[in-house]
Amino acid sequence: EVQLLQSGAELKKPGTTVKISCHTSGYTFNDQYIHWVQQAPGKGLEWMGLIDPDDGETMYADRFQGRISITADRSAETAYMELTRLRFEDTAVYYCASQVGHWGQGTLVTVSS
Amino acid sequence: SSELTQDPAVSVALGQTVRITCQGHSLRLYYATWYQQKPGQAPVLVIFGKNNRPSGIPDRFSGSSSEDTASLTITGAQAEDEADYHCNSRDSDGARWVFGGGTRLTVL
Repeated sequence: EVQLLQSGAELKKPGTTVKISCHTSGYTFNDQYIHWVQQAPGKGLEWMGLIDPDDGETMYADRFQGRISITADRSAETAYMELTRLRFEDTAVYYCASQVGHWGQGTLVTVSS
Repeated sequence: SSELTQDPAVSVALGQTVRITCQGHSLRLYYATWYQQKPGQAPVLVIFGKNNRPSGIPDRFSGSSSEDTASLTITGAQAEDEADYHCNSRDSDGARWVFGGGTRLTVL
């Protein structure tokens, strides 16, 4: 069974950094891109970026460029998404998803002073 | 980048058929993927490719496409189908994802 298991909820202050993990199992980690998706409260899904675990190549949405970094640890079959210079409007649930449509359970990030 | 457009809300009477649509240029190049999302839960894949359902998705869910429009059809909607439905496709570069704004389905 394919599973993507994300790290737990985070409470952060504005200007700080959050790093979320996404541990995968049940498939060959290198075979599929991992995508990260943001869902603000009451809003739709917004694509943030992706990583090809096979070679580490990344692509980022323009809106997050400069603040986002996605990495992958092949030995741990885990992807990470780091978002810097957090703003109140970054309060959202963040999901990782495999290329073929398996999703993590989501990680709530709350940015509050 | 490409955009996908969905109606914000659609309603259907219990047991009737409903079509949820998604429009965008990238759909001329790539099939849409459809996700169902219930409150407080992660999205769940319901349709991918030309018209494929993952294991466990009822056969009342089907997908189709024509030119720049993809459709998700629920034939004989059930109360448990009430949810948000999100369409997703690749951007024109073939790698980035793009999402529609989501459609809230109400089953009356």
